Amino acid sequence: AQSVTQPDIHITVSEGASLELRCNYSYGATPYLFWYVQSPGQGLQLLLKYFSGDTLVQGIKGFEAEFKRSQSSFNLRKPSVHWSDAAEYFCAVGGGGGADGLTFGKGTHLIIQP
Amino acid sequence: NAGVTQTPKFRVLKTGQSMTLLCAQDMNHEYMYWYRQDPGMGLRLIHYSVGEGTTAKGEVPDGYNVSRLKKQNFLLGLESAAPSQTSVYFCASSHSDGGYTFGSGTRLTVV
Repeated sequence: AQSVTQPDIHITVSEGASLELRCNYSYGATPYLFWYVQSPGQGLQLLLKYFSGDTLVQGIKGFEAEFKRSQSSFNLRKPSVHWSDAAEYFCAVGGGGGADGLTFGKGTHLIIQP
Repeated sequence: NAGVTQTPKFRVLKTGQSMTLLCAQDMNHEYMYWYRQDPGMGLRLIHYSVGEGTTAKGEVPDGYNVSRLKKQNFLLGLESAAPSQTSVYFCASSHSDGGYTFGSGTRLTVV
């Protein structure tokens, strides 16, 4: 069965500092990997996705993620966070649609200190 | 605008009442999904459909039923609502290329 672990429930970062959110997955085939962001009371916004090819993926809002097959990880990074980045971040894994759907981690709540 | 539309956006039910949540997509996607989101739990799959006329159970199907009579619509039903079904419900659709599109969510409170 597929699963996603986001080890950090909460992370606090100072504005302007770098950020790394961790994601480990378990999936029986080649995974499709996603990072979503959710502001309070809002829906999910796709930050980036990895299907194949270059293992370093660029996304919106200055985010990037690196797929490491040997470590079953897909960590999200940003070199300098802004106060507007405060939100809930979800990592998800799945296949190419169909019965797999997406399996989500429980999320990491990002707090930005001024 | 192309995408996934969920109705209603908000609803308050009394315990034991029934309701249906509607999800509509206009992208001709084969696959559709219903998720629920609870604090600290992420999103969990309730039911899904791999095509018109087909449905299947996900991770947390108890207390819910679904139907997909038309390709573009995926309905989620609660026959007898319980307080444990208070949640935010998200519908999603996908194509075999692996891209997923999510609706904006339905916030349901059962009192």
